Amino acid sequence: QQPVQSPQAVILREGEDAVINCSSSKALYSVHWYRQKHGEAPVFLMILLKGGEQKGHEKISASFNEKKQQSSLYLTASQLSYSGTYFCGTGEGAQKLVFGQGTRLTINP
Amino acid sequence: NAGVMQNPRHLVRRRGQEARLRCSPMKGHSHVYWYRQLPEEGLKFMVYLQKENIIDESGMPKERFSAEFPKEGPSILRIQQVVRGDSAAYFCASSRMMGQPSGNTIYFGEGSWLTVV
Repeated sequence: QQPVQSPQAVILREGEDAVINCSSSKALYSVHWYRQKHGEAPVFLMILLKGGEQKGHEKISASFNEKKQQSSLYLTASQLSYSGTYFCGTGEGAQKLVFGQGTRLTINP
Repeated sequence: NAGVMQNPRHLVRRRGQEARLRCSPMKGHSHVYWYRQLPEEGLKFMVYLQKENIIDESGMPKERFSAEFPKEGPSILRIQQVVRGDSAAYFCASSRMMGQPSGNTIYFGEGSWLTVV
């Protein structure tokens, strides 16, 4: 079953912060975050493998709440290059990866 | 996404023709996944394969679609008798192995854009 992302779209000015949430009705084995720019392939950002884990990648970080079956992606002091669609993927039974519907992030100067 | 090779990048087919999309995984990766992305939509899982073995094809349409990953050569996604609704981007991804923390990441290829006219 597909994880649910919120919000569906965000518009920011450069330098502002954003939070993208990903939740699932199923138990999560792992959460994967990707960013995709228009017409390009999804690019891996980070993976969280266990509850309570937090990771950072420059000014992009994420947390994984295993009990709540959700993950959040935090973008601080956003840059123009952060624009794109963000997808969370949840590992099902440690086999396939199922993606949410995506969150479109637009950063304006 | 470096290393996962897909071809062709763009393919135009008339209704009723066959489309074959190829994917070579990253070096050292033995698992291949195919996803379909319709315009302005998300990534829909289609099939997960290991060499000579289909692990999960729960996302594959029942008819006209098939996938293989032979012992030698690339993985092939085959669409027979294409219809306009098959027009989409088809992404291949690969990993060392799911279920293993060190190999749990999947990397995407650049995609193959199929247009059915």
